[in-house]
Amino acid sequence: ILNVEQSPQSLHVQEGDSTNFTCSFPSSNFYALHWYRWETAKSPEALFVMTLNGDEKKKGRISATLNTKEGYSYLYIKGSQPEDSATYLCAFKNYGGSQGNLIFGKGTKLSVKP
Amino acid sequence: DTGVSQDPRHKITKRGQNVTFRCDPISEHNRLYWYRQTLGQGPEFLTYFQNEAQLEKSRLLSDRFSAERPKGSFSTLEIQRTEQGDSAMYLCASGVVGPAQETQYFGPGTRLLVL
Repeated sequence: ILNVEQSPQSLHVQEGDSTNFTCSFPSSNFYALHWYRWETAKSPEALFVMTLNGDEKKKGRISATLNTKEGYSYLYIKGSQPEDSATYLCAFKNYGGSQGNLIFGKGTKLSVKP
Repeated sequence: DTGVSQDPRHKITKRGQNVTFRCDPISEHNRLYWYRQTLGQGPEFLTYFQNEAQLEKSRLLSDRFSAERPKGSFSTLEIQRTEQGDSAMYLCASGVVGPAQETQYFGPGTRLLVL
């Protein structure tokens, strides 16, 4: 059974703080790692798709890194704002597995206080 | 708005009733996925279509569940004889078949409550 772990489960920070979360996944047969942001009552929003070991991606104040050999990805948010409050999900796809599905972690719920 | 849409957004039903949800994908996307999220869990894969063909079904998809995508555009997910354990958020996503960089674009979900 393939397992994707995310930590911490929840996080409360003050506006302006920088923060980071971890996603751990099986390192064998790696294919792709996805990050999503899911605000309450909205659709999950795709942030990044990462495929290569050492990949670093950036979107505004949010960035992510990928280590496929040890099976982890970090998501960083610089200078958190209240609008960053959301659940951040990572999802893993492996070779030889399902062609279609992503295997999700349980998410990290971020709350940013003004 | 050209994103993925789902209808209804919320559904309350009594145990034993049948329910049907609809998903309209982004128009040029040939893949359509259904996921379910229960409380405290991440989304779990149920099934997916490429055009009108249903290519994979999860073991989570019991025989009370059926999904269709008759013309390769919108899809429906039906749950027959609902049980309280079916209470969850049902998410639909669409994408384009391709390399590992394929992104799945999600709709807002249908939240089902079975009483």
